Amino acid sequence: DAKTTQPPSMDCAEGRAANLPCNHSTISGNEYVYWYRQIHSQGPQYIIHGLKNNETNEMASLIITEDRKSSTLILPHATLRDTAVYYCIVSRGSGGSNYKLTFGKGTLLTVNP
Amino acid sequence: DAGVTQSPTHLIKTRGQQVTLRCSPKSGHDTVSWYQQALGQGPQFIFQYYEEEERQRGNFPDRFSGHQFPNYSSELNVNALLLGDSALYLCASSPRGRAGELFFGEGSRLTVL
Repeated sequence: DAKTTQPPSMDCAEGRAANLPCNHSTISGNEYVYWYRQIHSQGPQYIIHGLKNNETNEMASLIITEDRKSSTLILPHATLRDTAVYYCIVSRGSGGSNYKLTFGKGTLLTVNP
Repeated sequence: DAGVTQSPTHLIKTRGQQVTLRCSPKSGHDTVSWYQQALGQGPQFIFQYYEEEERQRGNFPDRFSGHQFPNYSSELNVNALLLGDSALYLCASSPRGRAGELFFGEGSRLTVL
């Protein structure tokens, strides 16, 4: 699986958009970008994933650059409850039942009042 | 609808002992993965079970073993415990055909003295 690079920490003001960057310059054509987050003392939570098109769901938007070497997770209106470690993961496939996700250290997002 | 449930939530063992952790996947999910998370680190993949067989394994010694039952629940066994096995052990399940969309439990916190 391709390696990802994320800033160790970021701050965001409550109510503003949080934009979390991720570099994955060695991504292969069949690898997807996944985002998870982990609130303190809880298990990780799936947020969103995509291949090359931008994706949006009720939690966030995922913007993938045209060359697919980087992506940005956008939380449109951050709240204090969004304070968490955010993990960007690259892994082959979206379907199937036979592959793993490799977590790095992620980005600690702190939403300030 | 219950999510992923794990037991016990906390336990303390001494070096050399054996431990069994249990996991019930989210309803409708048939794939179970186990992760180890040391303090300050991202989760590390241990292994994945699908159709009662170990399908993938991370870089963990044979002291770590598992099992999946016909009802999709799973156990993680660790023999000959070392101090370094102290960690949060996370179980995650995923629906058929969507192995990247993991639903995590709250974890079992193991302390080895």
